[in-house]
Amino acid sequence: GENVEQHPSTLSVQEGDSAVIKCTYSDSASNYFPWYKQELGKGPQLIIDIRSNVGEKKDQRIAVTLNKTAKHFSLHITETQPEDSAVYFCAASDDDYKLSFGAGTTVTVRA
Amino acid sequence: NAGVTQTPKFRILKIGQSMTLQCTQDMNHNYMYWYRQDPGMGLKLIYYSVGAGITDKGEVPNGYNVSRSTTEDFPLRLELAAPSQTSVYFCASSYDRGDGQPQHFGDGTRLSIL
Repeated sequence: GENVEQHPSTLSVQEGDSAVIKCTYSDSASNYFPWYKQELGKGPQLIIDIRSNVGEKKDQRIAVTLNKTAKHFSLHITETQPEDSAVYFCAASDDDYKLSFGAGTTVTVRA
Repeated sequence: NAGVTQTPKFRILKIGQSMTLQCTQDMNHNYMYWYRQDPGMGLKLIYYSVGAGITDKGEVPNGYNVSRSTTEDFPLRLELAAPSQTSVYFCASSYDRGDGQPQHFGDGTRLSIL
């Protein structure tokens, strides 16, 4: 099955700085890579996703990059704000619906 | 629009007891999923359903059962609770698979088995 590794497990950044989270996957057949944000006491919420035929995707302050050859993808958050503090999960899928998740990154934005 | 609703939010069980975690969605989604989330770990897929009457095992199905008699409901049953099943359980749904079909999650059920 698919194995997704996520780094770092915790990340502390100064407000206004950028945050980068990296994930690697094992199954070369994976073609869908979503990122979820989980706030305390809530379920995960999709923030951005990318498919294997695209190398980069942006949505305001959030961007995701994908390197299929190296089997890794990254989440970039620019101009971080206190409300960006949360746990972020990457995931991968080879069939568009059954997701394999990374272990999560706890992001803390310091004011 | 309630989205995905899970009940109960918290529960403590004794070893060997049984219970059903409820999940209902009001978005007319065809696909539904159950995940468990252990501390420091990502979500693991327990069971999923692609439509009423159709269910299939995910990555960690042992000790659980599901049914899908309606489009809206997807209950998860624990027959003989074990300490290893202490976890936070999330239900999710999506309309279909593929582009533009994100999974929507409920807020979870925190289950402790003592």
